[in-house]
Amino acid sequence: KNEVEQSPQNLTAQEGEFITINCSYSVGISALHWLQQHPGGGIVSLFMLSSGKKKHGRLIATINIQEKHSSLHITASHPRDSAVYICAVILGGTSYGKLTFGQGTILTVHP
Amino acid sequence: GAGVSQTPSNKVTEKGKYVELRCDPISGHTALYWYRQSLGQGPEFLIYFQGTGAADDSGLPNDRFFAVRPEGSVSTLKIQRTERGDSAVYLCASSFSGPWETQYFGPGTRLLVL
Repeated sequence: KNEVEQSPQNLTAQEGEFITINCSYSVGISALHWLQQHPGGGIVSLFMLSSGKKKHGRLIATINIQEKHSSLHITASHPRDSAVYICAVILGGTSYGKLTFGQGTILTVHP
Repeated sequence: GAGVSQTPSNKVTEKGKYVELRCDPISGHTALYWYRQSLGQGPEFLIYFQGTGAADDSGLPNDRFFAVRPEGSVSTLKIQRTERGDSAVYLCASSFSGPWETQYFGPGTRLLVL
C-alpha cells in the first residue's frame, strides 16, 4: 500500500462545477504539497500546508493532521483546470524537501 | 527569470547504452532533487543534493544510477547499461534549502530505452 493515496484517480466535470480531490496518507508528515501537472508540461507547486486551510483564487486546500487527510477544492471549474493534480508529503522528521508522491488525479473539465 | 531547465528533452537509446541527463537549477538554489515518473504514476524520489554533496541518494534504484553536482549548480544524472525498465520521465527540481521551500520543477527528460 502506498504511503500517499489519492481519490478519485480520474475525475470528469462540467464547466462551473465544484471539484474535490482527496489525499490520505499513512505516515507522520512535516508538510503536504498539492501540485499541478499539465499534459506534456512540467509540475507546478500550488500549495504547501501543514495545518488548516489555504486559498488562492479558485483553489482551496485543507488539511486535517489528526485524520491524515487533505482535500483540494476547485470552485467554478474551467476547462483550463484540466490537468493531473498530485498530492505529495514530506515525511515527519525530514529536514529537507524530499517528496513522497501520490499517484495523481486526472481531472478533465468539459465546456 | 529563468526557471529550471533540463536537457535533452527527449532521449532515445538502446538497451545497454550509457546516458547522461542534465539539470540546470534556478540560480542561487542550493537544494536540487531528481525524481523519476513512470507512465501513469506519481514521481518517485531518486536523489537530493545540498550544495555539491549528495545528502540523500536512497532513491537510486541500483548502482547503475549515479548523479553529480560538482560545482553546486548544474547536476548530471548518469545511467549505465540502460535497461528497458529505465524508460520514464526524469524530473529535476530546485529550491532554497529547507523543507518549507517551494520546489521549482524542470520540464523533464523523457527517456526511452529500446
